[in-house]
Amino acid sequence: NAGVTQTPKFQVLKTGQSMTLQCAQDMNHNSMYWYRQDPGMGLRLIYYSASEGTTDKGEVPNGYNVSRLNKREFSLRLESAAPSQTSVYFCASSRGQGPYHKNIQYFGAGTRLSVL
Amino acid sequence: EDKVVQSPLSLVVHEGDTVTLNCSYEVTNFRSLLWYKQEKKAPTFLFMLTSSGIEKKSGRLSSILDKKELFSILNITATQTGDSAVYLCAVEAAGGTSYGKLTFGQGTILTVHP
Repeated sequence: NAGVTQTPKFQVLKTGQSMTLQCAQDMNHNSMYWYRQDPGMGLRLIYYSASEGTTDKGEVPNGYNVSRLNKREFSLRLESAAPSQTSVYFCASSRGQGPYHKNIQYFGAGTRLSVL
Repeated sequence: EDKVVQSPLSLVVHEGDTVTLNCSYEVTNFRSLLWYKQEKKAPTFLFMLTSSGIEKKSGRLSSILDKKELFSILNITATQTGDSAVYLCAVEAAGGTSYGKLTFGQGTILTVHP
């Protein structure tokens, strides 16, 4: 029972390079999220997808794009990486949004990204 | 803008001590408050609180919410070294596109020495 799986676990990029972080969940959840975690700042929402076919910006979307490929998969793309994007990135999923769902989010193990 | 503040930011105790972690919040149209434990990797869910005054309990951990004073506490009794982690508090607002989006606090780093 894998839950939320993220790849890769670690990545080092040079400024200006691009890359895609992958996330997949096997819990048949409708909603998926991308966060970044920086020291002393908790988790900040980058983008989310309330359901398959929809995506919306979170608190810190600049420099990122996302794709909800299907119900299971939600990817995060850095088109031109910058040192300010050095962080730990977490993907999460939940059953769904709206008043009829308990929004308990389940997290992947994270991707540690360094941009030089 | 929704805001969550946790205190203390870090705490060092010895095994067997009891600790209380605090979480205060400002959120428009509160729906729920969640506690997570983060060891080396993924945050793992502990509790969800939606009603004031009802204690949630799991083993040595318990949590309670005060919606009037806008805070929650997480208690850990008889701490063990395995309780060493970052404890995260998050709140969810209700209504429109706010459903499902969590605002996290900075976290409290708990270190339990043998």
